[in-house]
Amino acid sequence: ILNVEQSPQSLHVQEGDSTNFTCSFPSSNFYALHWYRWETAKSPEALFVMTLNGDEKKKGRISATLNTKEGYSYLYIKGSQPEDSATYLCAFWVGNYQLIWGAGTKLIIKP
Amino acid sequence: AAGVIQSPRHLIKEKRETATLKCYPIPRHDTVYWYQQGPGQDPQFLISFYEKMQSDKGSIPDRFSAQQFSDYHSELNMSSLELGDSALYFCASSSGLAGGRNEQYFGPGTRLTVT
Repeated sequence: ILNVEQSPQSLHVQEGDSTNFTCSFPSSNFYALHWYRWETAKSPEALFVMTLNGDEKKKGRISATLNTKEGYSYLYIKGSQPEDSATYLCAFWVGNYQLIWGAGTKLIIKP
Repeated sequence: AAGVIQSPRHLIKEKRETATLKCYPIPRHDTVYWYQQGPGQDPQFLISFYEKMQSDKGSIPDRFSAQQFSDYHSELNMSSLELGDSALYFCASSSGLAGGRNEQYFGPGTRLTVT
């Protein structure tokens, strides 16, 4: 059974601090790893799709790295702002148009 | 920019009734995915379509069926509704050419309540 795990489950961060969290996925038969941001009462929004070992992608203050050999990806947020409060989901592409989703890391930014 | 459209946004049905959820993907997107999110749960993949053909199937009950039409919109048909079917149903679309390398764009969801 393919499993995608995210840690921590939730995170409280002071505004202005930087933070990071982890997504672990199967290291064999890797196709792609997706990161999504999901704010309450909204639909998930794509952040990154990572495909190559060693990939590092950046969007504003958010960046992500990928290690396919050991099966993990880190998401970093620099200088957290209240608008960063959301659940961050990673999803592992298993081919045949299916993503296996992690349970998410709920990030709460304290002003 | 055009986004994924889902209708209706809210639906209330009684047990054993039938419901139809519709999804209109972003123009030129040929792949549609359906997800179910129960209260306090992560999204569960139900089914996906690429170029009007079913491409993969997840944890979709036999009581549910779906199809993608010639204009690429998709419908999720749910019969003999049960209380446990109450959930938020998301549709997402992507361009299927690059497989998992293209991000999915999600619609606003349809909240189904079964009473």
